[in-house]
Amino acid sequence: SQQGEEDPQALSIQEGENATMNCSYKTSINNLQWYRQNSGRGLVHLILIRSNEREKHSGRLRVTLDTSKKSSSLLITASRAADTASYFCATDRGFNKFYFGSGTKLNVKP
Amino acid sequence: EAGVAQSPRYKIIEKRQSVAFWCNPISGHATLYWYQQILGQGPKLLIQFQNNGVVDDSQLPKDRFSAERLKGVDSTLKIQPAKLEDSAVYLCASSLDGLKEETQYFGPGTRLLVL
Repeated sequence: SQQGEEDPQALSIQEGENATMNCSYKTSINNLQWYRQNSGRGLVHLILIRSNEREKHSGRLRVTLDTSKKSSSLLITASRAADTASYFCATDRGFNKFYFGSGTKLNVKP
Repeated sequence: EAGVAQSPRYKIIEKRQSVAFWCNPISGHATLYWYQQILGQGPKLLIQFQNNGVVDDSQLPKDRFSAERLKGVDSTLKIQPAKLEDSAVYLCASSLDGLKEETQYFGPGTRLLVL
């Protein structure tokens, strides 16, 4: 991996449950962003968290960042079948040069 | 607002052939990126343009890959000659100015299969 590693690689849950996925990285960053990719489609930006922030919320999404542990987590609450997708973290070390992890494949069963 | 456009959506070629991909970024976006996404992996940055200049091409296999953005708008990515391991989705993205933290907007990608 270039920079980030997501964990778990795959996650299967029932609709209505919460989904948590984690991202670890190796070097210092300016910010970390989470993207979603539906099968066969481009990536869609979900949320950005800066290196001096610890937590951010956006709708059903909650992102945390622990720079001392070089890790981030994405929580999706009350998941829906439409949340089925791959989720990637991208770390930005400057000048918007992104390093993506290998992703977590989320399957939400109706 | 129109998104990032890419064409073609799919391409099948034989090894040693050449192929070209086209990208039209969001209007007004100064920064354009090409990524390679191999099946089961995350996108890997190949090249980053700021207007018509190259900011970073450190991960571009320059012996076979080339890219240009002549007028600071559209961009083409070429592979010549293609190898089997070039089979991947090629994603184009753009952002407003690339100088500060900001969102990258991705196109739908071109899926390349090299036989």
